[in-house]
Amino acid sequence: SQKIEQNSEALNIQEGKTATLTCNYTNYSPAYLQWYRQDPGRGPVFLLLIRENEKEKRKERLKVTFDTTLKQSLFHITASQPADSATYLCALDEGSSNTGKLIFGQGTTLQVKP
Amino acid sequence: EAGVVQSPRYKIIEKKQPVAFWCNPISGHNTLYWYRQNLGQGPELLIRYENEEAVDDSQLPKDRFSAERLKGVDSTLKIQPAELGDSAVYLCASSSGGRYYNEQFFGPGTRLTVL
Repeated sequence: SQKIEQNSEALNIQEGKTATLTCNYTNYSPAYLQWYRQDPGRGPVFLLLIRENEKEKRKERLKVTFDTTLKQSLFHITASQPADSATYLCALDEGSSNTGKLIFGQGTTLQVKP
Repeated sequence: EAGVVQSPRYKIIEKKQPVAFWCNPISGHNTLYWYRQNLGQGPELLIRYENEEAVDDSQLPKDRFSAERLKGVDSTLKIQPAELGDSAVYLCASSSGGRYYNEQFFGPGTRLTVL
């Protein structure tokens, strides 16, 4: 079955720097991959979706890449701010074709220091 | 537009007691999900509804968990009896269209503590 691995260690960076978070999956490439943000005590919030035929997707200061050869997605936050501090979750479809069932990684906590 | 509403936000019960969680999805969203999130982990799907129909309940522990979505809108998730290992955050989410590229909207969750 598909498994997702995200860095379990927190990522600490200085304000203004670029944060890069990694999501690796183990088996077949999914039809799409999503990134969510989760703040303490709140539910995840959708940020970006990237399809299997897309290499890169951008939204304001966010950028996601999808490398099906490496079985990896990278999530970048440029010009990071303390308000970006949160846990970021990677999610993908359980199947190689659309099953509609998402599986989530355990998330990586980002701490941006002023 | 109102988001996904869940209640209660917190619940503390003793083991073997029953507990129920309620979810009201975003208006017009046909697909509703219940997830369980353990500390330090990502959400894990328990059950998915398309309108009134449970289309995926493969990870729902059916000996003690039950769910319903009458009229295809609100949903209730029940645990009876609760066990210590059920302590977690229970998240409800909804999405608008079928199963393709489904951006999901999450509620704030119910934090359950079983003593």
